[in-house]
Amino acid sequence: AQSVTQLDSQVPVFEEAPVELRCNYSSSVSVYLFWYVQYPNQGLQLLLKYLSGSTLVESINGFEAEFNKSQTSFHLRKPSVHISDTAEYFCAVSDWGGSEKLVFGKGTKLTVNP
Amino acid sequence: DAGVTQSPTHLIKTRGQQVTLRCSPISGHKSVSWYQQVLGQGPQFIFQYYEKEERGRGNFPDRFSARQFPNYSSELNVNALLLGDSALYLCASTTRSSYNEQFFGPGTRLTVL
Repeated sequence: AQSVTQLDSQVPVFEEAPVELRCNYSSSVSVYLFWYVQYPNQGLQLLLKYLSGSTLVESINGFEAEFNKSQTSFHLRKPSVHISDTAEYFCAVSDWGGSEKLVFGKGTKLTVNP
Repeated sequence: DAGVTQSPTHLIKTRGQQVTLRCSPISGHKSVSWYQQVLGQGPQFIFQYYEKEERGRGNFPDRFSARQFPNYSSELNVNALLLGDSALYLCASTTRSSYNEQFFGPGTRLTVL
């Protein structure tokens, strides 16, 4: 069985500051890794994903995440955040070639203050 | 192209009642999954359907059931509602070749009084 731990439930930062949202996972098999973002009163939107290949993946809006197999981590980073990045961020895993079930962490609420 | 659509947007029920939630996947997607998101928590997997067959089931009681229709739309049914069933119910669709990348709908907010 897989599990995901998001180490911070809330992360407040000032605008233009860097941010890191931490995610660790546990699995007995190889996994795909995802970060989803949820704005208030909306569904989930895929931010970025790691399937294979380069361990550093990037999104179109400046976020990046690095897959670290030895530390079983997939931390999300952004060098300079905007007010509009305020949202809840969920890390998720699914196993290779098996069920398409996603296992989510409990989420990290990112609040960007002016 | 339209994304995943869900109806209704909001729903209020009382304990013991039954509810049906509906989902239409993205055109061309044959797989639909359902998730429950309780306030302050991450989504929890309930069901996955592919080509009208159940392919996965999460740790939910038998009060929860679902089905998928020939046009790949899906319904989630919950019987004998409990207060703890109050949540955002999310539907996601995917193609089987998309490496498990799932596209989520806006959800149905269910409140049980």
